[in-house]
Amino acid sequence: GGIITQTPKFLIGQEGQKLTLKCQQNFNHDTMYWYRQDSGKGLRLIYYSITENDLQKGDLSEGYDASREKKSSFSLTVTSAQKNEMAVFLCASSIVGTGGIYAEQFFGPGTRLTVL
Amino acid sequence: GDSVTQTEGLVTLTKGLPVMLNCTYQTTYSPFLFWYVQHLNEAPKLLLKSSTDNKRTEHQGFYATLHKSSSSFHLQKSSVQLSDSALYFCALRGGSGTYQRFGTGTKLQVVP
Repeated sequence: GGIITQTPKFLIGQEGQKLTLKCQQNFNHDTMYWYRQDSGKGLRLIYYSITENDLQKGDLSEGYDASREKKSSFSLTVTSAQKNEMAVFLCASSIVGTGGIYAEQFFGPGTRLTVL
Repeated sequence: GDSVTQTEGLVTLTKGLPVMLNCTYQTTYSPFLFWYVQHLNEAPKLLLKSSTDNKRTEHQGFYATLHKSSSSFHLQKSSVQLSDSALYFCALRGGSGTYQRFGTGTKLQVVP
C-alpha cells in the first residue's frame, strides 16, 4: 500500500498572488497528476508527469505551472490567483507501462483553495 | 477528441431501490473505462473498471458492462444503501493511455 500527501490542506490567498501546492506519494508510481475539482464540472486535468522531469499539459493548464522535482513529488503553482476563486485541487498517481495503461489512479485528500 | 458524458447531476433514491448511473463516451481508441466514488470530504477511489466488450465487472455490489455498440458503461446496483451516498465519476482512458478523462460526476443521495 501507499499514501499520497498534499500540503497544505487549506490555502487562502489574495488576488494576484502566486500560490504553490505540494504533493508527495510513496507508492513508487511513475505518473503523477494534478486535477481541479469544481462543483458540477468534475475533475479537470491541469498537468501530469509521466516520469521524473517530464511535464505534460492537460486541458486546464493556463494559469498554472508544475514541477516534478523527483519521482515522489509533484508541485503545482497557481501563477496569479483569481479573486473569489474557490476550488479543490487533487493530486493523483498511477503506474505506467503496459499494465499502466489500464491502471487505476490513487488520489490524495486535496487542497482547498480560497482566494479573497 | 475523447469525451465522457454523465447526464445526471443528482440522483435521489430511497434505500433498497435499484440505481443506474449513466455514462457514455466518445473515443477513437479502444475504450477502457473506470468508475470512481468520492464520499464526502474524502479522496476519489476506484470502484470498478471495464473488461472486454459485453462483459460485466462487479465490485462491492456495484456492476457495469462495457457496451461498445452504444458507447456506454453504466453503473448499476440492485439495492442502494445509505452508505452509497457519494459522488460517482466515470472516466475514460486517454488516447495515450497515461491519463484519464473524467465526466462531470453524478451525486447519488440515498434517503431512508
